[in-house]
Amino acid sequence: AQSVTQPDIHITVSEGASLELRCNYSYGATPYLFWYVQSPGQGLQLLLKYFSGDTLVQGIKGFEAEFKRSQSSFNLRKPSVHWSDAAEYFCAVGQTSYDKVIFGPGTSLSVIP
Amino acid sequence: DTAVSQTPKYLVTQMGNDKSIKCEQNLGHDTMYWYKQDSKKFLKIMFSYNNKELIINETVPNRFSPKSPDKAHLNLHINSLELGDSAVYFCASTNTQATEAFFGQGTRLTVV
Repeated sequence: AQSVTQPDIHITVSEGASLELRCNYSYGATPYLFWYVQSPGQGLQLLLKYFSGDTLVQGIKGFEAEFKRSQSSFNLRKPSVHWSDAAEYFCAVGQTSYDKVIFGPGTSLSVIP
Repeated sequence: DTAVSQTPKYLVTQMGNDKSIKCEQNLGHDTMYWYKQDSKKFLKIMFSYNNKELIINETVPNRFSPKSPDKAHLNLHINSLELGDSAVYFCASTNTQATEAFFGQGTRLTVV
């Protein structure tokens, strides 16, 4: 069965510290991979996506993610977190048709000033 | 100049009522979606719709029905509201290639 897991329900980091949010998936074929961010009271905004090619993907707001096929992972990273990064982060996997995209349960990020 | 807009942002209603949530996108996208986000922030697709095909998640009760007057609009109508329908509902749209989804700000529905 297709699934997405985000092992960390909640993470707290200090401002300026580095960040890594984990995402693991189970999928029958090479998936399309996405990271979305949801700020409080807002809709979801795409941070980055991976379809093929270079396995290290750069996104907006200084985020990057690395696709590791052998580990079925697509972890999100940022070298230095800002207070405004506090939000809910969703990993998603799918294939060509977006209605088949599956979202992970989300990781809530808190940032300590 | 919002790309995907939903109204209302908040909706409080009594059990048994019928309500609608409206969604409009000005991106020229072909496909629109409705998602439900429960209290644990879990996102689940309810419908996807383009001008040719409606795809319904089989777990969605038939009290929920999408209505699309034109390509830029996909409204969600809910009959006989139940307490368990309380959630945040998100509208989204994608282009033909479906390489990125744009989401609305959500409608927080509370059934009392």
